[in-house]
Amino acid sequence: GAVVSQHPSWVICKSGTSVKIECRSLDFQATTMFWYRQFPKQSLMLMATSNEGSKATYEQGVEKDKFLINHASLTLSTLTVTSAHPEDSSFYICSAWTSGSSYNEQFFGPGTRLTVL
Amino acid sequence: QQPVQSPQAVILREGEDAVINCSSSKALYSVHWYRQKHGEAPVFLMILLKGGEQKGHDKISASFNEKKQQSSLYLTASQLSYSGTYFCGIASGGSNYKLTFGKGTLLTVNP
Repeated sequence: GAVVSQHPSWVICKSGTSVKIECRSLDFQATTMFWYRQFPKQSLMLMATSNEGSKATYEQGVEKDKFLINHASLTLSTLTVTSAHPEDSSFYICSAWTSGSSYNEQFFGPGTRLTVL
Repeated sequence: QQPVQSPQAVILREGEDAVINCSSSKALYSVHWYRQKHGEAPVFLMILLKGGEQKGHDKISASFNEKKQQSSLYLTASQLSYSGTYFCGIASGGSNYKLTFGKGTLLTVNP
């Protein structure tokens, strides 16, 4: 299967700082990347859909000015949590999907655990 | 709208079988099943496309009933490694890749 990496795997930051999380598809070109947030013992909640070269589409209730998404290339998408607060602490997972594949599944990255103090 | 998974949790002994259900109030294009272990990212198990198909891999199989808008995941002769939270993700509304996940089913397999 395809490999998706995320960096960093975990980050601890002070309240008010910004944190950037990178998501890379290592062995394929991702038409679309998705960003999810998962709180402990809860489901994956889709935050936004990101297509290369265009603006991200945010789900209802997700602040686009707080969660900045940039999809610079077919292999890289970044999520920046701006002015992070303790309530932003969560497990952030990206996934990648390609329309050129014979598969239809999303390939998930290993996730980034964000802790805001 | 989020699909409904049942049961919420199940405890098995190694070798026993389990069924996890996923139902939706919307028409489905596809159903995707994932397993997630604690602190890790979800791992893809299988995808079922509309057409009422059934798929299987080793001792894990799944069915998709398009009319009933539901899917079931069957785990046969469970192994310790099957423990984890199982999520179904559904694609609907014209998109075959944007998924909405259920709340998950926590499966614990004991020796």
